[in-house]
Amino acid sequence: SQQGEEDPQALSIQEGENATMNCSYKTSINNLQWYRQNSGRGLVHLILIRSNEREKHSGRLRVTLDTSKKSSSLLITASRAADTASYFCATVEGGSNYKLTFGKGTLLTVNP
Amino acid sequence: DAGVIQSPRHEVTEMGQEVTLRCKPISGHNSLFWYRQTMMRGLELLIYFNNNVPIDDSGMPEDRFSAKMPNASFSTLKIQPSEPRDSAVYFCASSFGGALHFGNGTRLTVT
Repeated sequence: SQQGEEDPQALSIQEGENATMNCSYKTSINNLQWYRQNSGRGLVHLILIRSNEREKHSGRLRVTLDTSKKSSSLLITASRAADTASYFCATVEGGSNYKLTFGKGTLLTVNP
Repeated sequence: DAGVIQSPRHEVTEMGQEVTLRCKPISGHNSLFWYRQTMMRGLELLIYFNNNVPIDDSGMPEDRFSAKMPNASFSTLKIQPSEPRDSAVYFCASSFGGALHFGNGTRLTVT
């Protein structure tokens, strides 16, 4: 079953603009992770935020987590054409320490 | 660090044939996962190993699917007999807690 659901399904922006993707989930979580997938490749881990954290930064990435709303957002600032990829959120449910459940992803296209 | 290595990258086979997918996890990782990705269902967890022991195989679709991890550096996912609905990209991932490291997948086409 899908735990995380990303929104929007697809996003197209110009290079230099910011991109925001959202993720909603249903049950309590231990942590939430964001991954990127380039076409024809495996997923690459971007950032992990624990359930007791509210915000985390990594380079041009900013992730927020609102456990009261069961939602997270991924912000990519000053986007580049190389950021074009699918982005997935994944949650580890509260009763598990390993079971990552992925959403269906947001396809981000950054136009040069 | 070579990352997670999967083979083959592409597999085309006829319905009814046996298919074996292979995975070499990152050295030192104690968890290994097999996922399947399709447009319809997205990423589905098939099976999870911890310290070479299968912990959760509830995602394995049916008895035609089997997975083994004979040692810490090798795992296989076997489909016998294969069916057209098994066509998908199969990913292996490993971890040592926290983030998963994925291989580049095996694209399986069953005709």
